[in-house]
Amino acid sequence: DAGVTQSPTHLIKTRGQHVTLRCSPISGHKSVSWYQQVLGQGPQFIFQYYEKEERGRGNFPDRFSARQFPNYSSELNVNALLLGDSALYLCASSGDPDRARYEQYFGPGTRLTVT
Amino acid sequence: DQQVKQNSPSLSVQEGRISILNCDYTNSMFDYFLWYKKYPAEGPTFLISISSIKDKNEDGRFTVFLNKSAKHLSLHIVPSQPGDSAVYFCAASDRGSTLGRLYFGRGTQLTVWP
Repeated sequence: DAGVTQSPTHLIKTRGQHVTLRCSPISGHKSVSWYQQVLGQGPQFIFQYYEKEERGRGNFPDRFSARQFPNYSSELNVNALLLGDSALYLCASSGDPDRARYEQYFGPGTRLTVT
Repeated sequence: DQQVKQNSPSLSVQEGRISILNCDYTNSMFDYFLWYKKYPAEGPTFLISISSIKDKNEDGRFTVFLNKSAKHLSLHIVPSQPGDSAVYFCAASDRGSTLGRLYFGRGTQLTVWP
């Protein structure tokens, strides 16, 4: 079975642009979480989605948004990119949100560079 | 505010010896702790976890110890192998939260040399 997949692998954008990152969870998993990992830091929680509904978000500005589709895949959108948005963006899936605190399976991430 | 802290950015250990990675936390609502391992160009992979009702959990070469009074946990790898060289993240979840949000430390780069 395929694990969590993310696309693209790498991305270079210019300040002020918009970016869309994509994630497909493990088959059968309905909950998706997004994390941002800045170089030298641990992953920071951005969003959790379950059954197409946002269940919560971390301390990120409104420039960050996401959605989940009927097939449980998810998109993370970032508007008006800043240099500080350069990071590895990780997607994690779990069977249901109540299990997410015990087990999350991470994808390989999308490396975003903002110049 | 860093609620999970890994104060050693790196650790170097000889093959066959014990590796001990440390983690401290500040939030008394954390009741479940996980260790993830991350290789370059890959996402974090789950290694071992421990509930706050326990003080030790073992899985093969990996053992995690939890000291609730000190808000400290450690991961022991015995014996260490070169393939264990990776970044290790300590993570915690909050029993008061309805989210599956994990709080991560900054990670410790473990290097196991032959």
